[in-house]
Amino acid sequence: GDSVTQMEGPVTLSEEAFLTINCTYTATGYPSLFWYVQYPGEGLQLLLKATKADDKGSNKGFEATYRKETTSFHLEKGSVQVSDSAVYFCALMDSSYKLIFGSGTRLLVRP
Amino acid sequence: KAGVTQTPRYLIKTRGQQVTLSCSPISGHRSVSWYQQTPGQGLQFLFEYFSETQRNKGNFPGRFSGRQFSNSRSEMNVSTLELGDSALYLCASSFGPPNTGELFFGEGSRLTVL
Repeated sequence: GDSVTQMEGPVTLSEEAFLTINCTYTATGYPSLFWYVQYPGEGLQLLLKATKADDKGSNKGFEATYRKETTSFHLEKGSVQVSDSAVYFCALMDSSYKLIFGSGTRLLVRP
Repeated sequence: KAGVTQTPRYLIKTRGQQVTLSCSPISGHRSVSWYQQTPGQGLQFLFEYFSETQRNKGNFPGRFSGRQFSNSRSEMNVSTLELGDSALYLCASSFGPPNTGELFFGEGSRLTVL
């Protein structure tokens, strides 16, 4: 079945550092891809999405590009802030229109 | 506008009991999905409802059930609780089909089974 694999966390960075969180997927066809973020004590929020190959999703300084050649959707940000500390989930929408999530990557940004 | 509201936020049950969790979606949203979140298994899809009909179901035993009411509010029920049912249960709402994958999540109901 379809699946999403994310890099293990936690990822610990200093403020203003460059962030990459790796995400690869296995699916039939070309599913829509998503990044969701969960701040402490809150529910998940959609961060960005891409619906077809080579699409770039972006929001709040975060970016991810849909790469069908490498079946990847890595999340990047040029300069992280303490307020970006959260758990980040990569997800795909399968052929029956449900979201399949990765295991999540915890990001901790230190001042 | 108000977000997705889940009640109760925290609850403690013992093995063998049953539990009912409630979810009120964002006004105007007609689709409600439920997910189970655990440290070991991550986020797993339970089921999705639209217009009081179950549209999708995940791989959970029949002890897990749900329903949706005409006002789009949803409940999920777990009967004969097991220790492994301890988890954060998340509800998410969206406008409905076609499903774009853009879900709005509540803060969850944290269930502890002793």
